[in-house]
Amino acid sequence: GEQVEQRPPHLSVREGDSAFITCTYTDPNSYYFFWYKQEPGASLQLLMKVFSSTEINEGQGFTVLLNKKDKRLSLNLTAAHPGDSAAYFCAVSASSGSWQLIFGSGTQLTVMP
Amino acid sequence: ETAVFQTPNYHVTQVGNEVSFNCKQTLGHDTMYWYKQDSKKLLKIMFSYNNKQLIVNETVPRRFSPQSSDKAHLNLRIKSVEPEDSAVYLCASSLGANSDYTFGSGTRLLVI
Repeated sequence: GEQVEQRPPHLSVREGDSAFITCTYTDPNSYYFFWYKQEPGASLQLLMKVFSSTEINEGQGFTVLLNKKDKRLSLNLTAAHPGDSAAYFCAVSASSGSWQLIFGSGTQLTVMP
Repeated sequence: ETAVFQTPNYHVTQVGNEVSFNCKQTLGHDTMYWYKQDSKKLLKIMFSYNNKQLIVNETVPRRFSPQSSDKAHLNLRIKSVEPEDSAVYLCASSLGANSDYTFGSGTRLLVI
C-alpha cells in the first residue's frame, strides 16, 4: 500500500526565515495531496489541497509544490512567524478507492522570535 | 454551525473497561472516518464508513468497533481498553472520494 515519508521530523527557524518540509510517496496512482496544520491541543486544519502535476500553489504565507514525476510534495513557509509554530502533516489519498488519507509522520515546526 | 463534533474531549479509564466515543457531522458528508494519533503524533486510519461500506484497517485490534446509526454519526467503541490505547482519536468526514476532510477536535483517551 501507499507509504508516505515526511522530513524533517523537527525544524527550528528564526522569525522571517523560510521553513521547508518535504514528503515522498510510493503509489504513482495517488492523485490528491494535502497539507494540514495542527496547533497544540487542536485538531487538523487544512492548508491546501493540490492535484496537478508539478504545480506550484501559493497560499497565505506558504507555497506548495507537487512533483508527480519524483513523487514528491513540499511545503515552504516563507517568512515564518511564531504563529506558524505547529505540527505540519502531508497526506496522500489512497488510490485504492477506499477514500482514505495516508498521512506523513509530521514535522514539528518551531519559529523563534 | 456545520462541523464535526466529538464527545467527550477527554476520558480517563482503567484497563479492561469499555469506552465509547461519539462523533457527529452536520456537513451533509457521506463518508466518515476514525483516526488514531499516538503520543508521537503519528496518524493512522482505523475505519472508514460511507453508509454502504465499512473499511477496516487490518492492524486495528478487534476490541475496537465502529457504530453508525446514520450517515451523520460514527461512534467508536473499545470493548476492553489496554494501556496502548492511550491516544487522541480523531473523527473526520468527507463528501465522496478525495474531497476535503473535515476533522473533529479529537477525544484524548488515557488508560491507567
